[in-house]
Amino acid sequence: DTEVTQTPKHLVMGMTNKKSLKCEQHMGHRAMYWYKQKAKKPPELMFVYSYEKLSINESVPSRFSPECPNSSLLNLHLHALQPEDSALYLCASSQDYGRDKNIQYFGAGTRLSVL
Amino acid sequence: DQQVKQNSPSLSVQEGRISILNCDYTNSMFDYFLWYKKYPAEGPTFLISISSIKDKNEDGRFTVFLNKSAKHLSLHIVPSQPGDSAVYFCAGIQGAQKLVFGQGTRLTINP
Repeated sequence: DTEVTQTPKHLVMGMTNKKSLKCEQHMGHRAMYWYKQKAKKPPELMFVYSYEKLSINESVPSRFSPECPNSSLLNLHLHALQPEDSALYLCASSQDYGRDKNIQYFGAGTRLSVL
Repeated sequence: DQQVKQNSPSLSVQEGRISILNCDYTNSMFDYFLWYKKYPAEGPTFLISISSIKDKNEDGRFTVFLNKSAKHLSLHIVPSQPGDSAVYFCAGIQGAQKLVFGQGTRLTINP
């Protein structure tokens, strides 16, 4: 089973709203990731959690706030977003830290529209 | 600075023939490469990987070749099937955890 589950699949929010994206995996993976993907572009890394600790933040604006409540769950809290933040948000997980264990498995993504 | 480049935005191949997708990279610190396949409205699906200490890795219909001196890798799919129609991303691993993706190549398999 290589399933990463993301909810919701679609989200529409206003610029003053607060919402959260959720990601869950039950593969025992210890690294989890958030990516942002715009149309016709490759995924861009936002955050990496390794053993439930934030290890990489790719200079993401503070209106995006990640949280890793436990090793299976990853949240992305959204507040005061801009229309240009509309994109597909992908969650991924990998077994562990280190290159030969870094096959990342992706969820189906949340399609976010900011009005 | 685009460290991973897929110079062909699209490729069209006849069913049953070989599909060859190409990828070039500039970062000689990459030590592992992965290929992902992506259907619309889905997340990328891992296909095959190769370590920089190897020059070939094969898994069923998929073979990846790595030419380190040319900083070039390619994915061969043979025989190509209609279900292979998707966007294919090449990615290099920089450091311990960061995947750097190419722009993707849209592969269309024609019946």
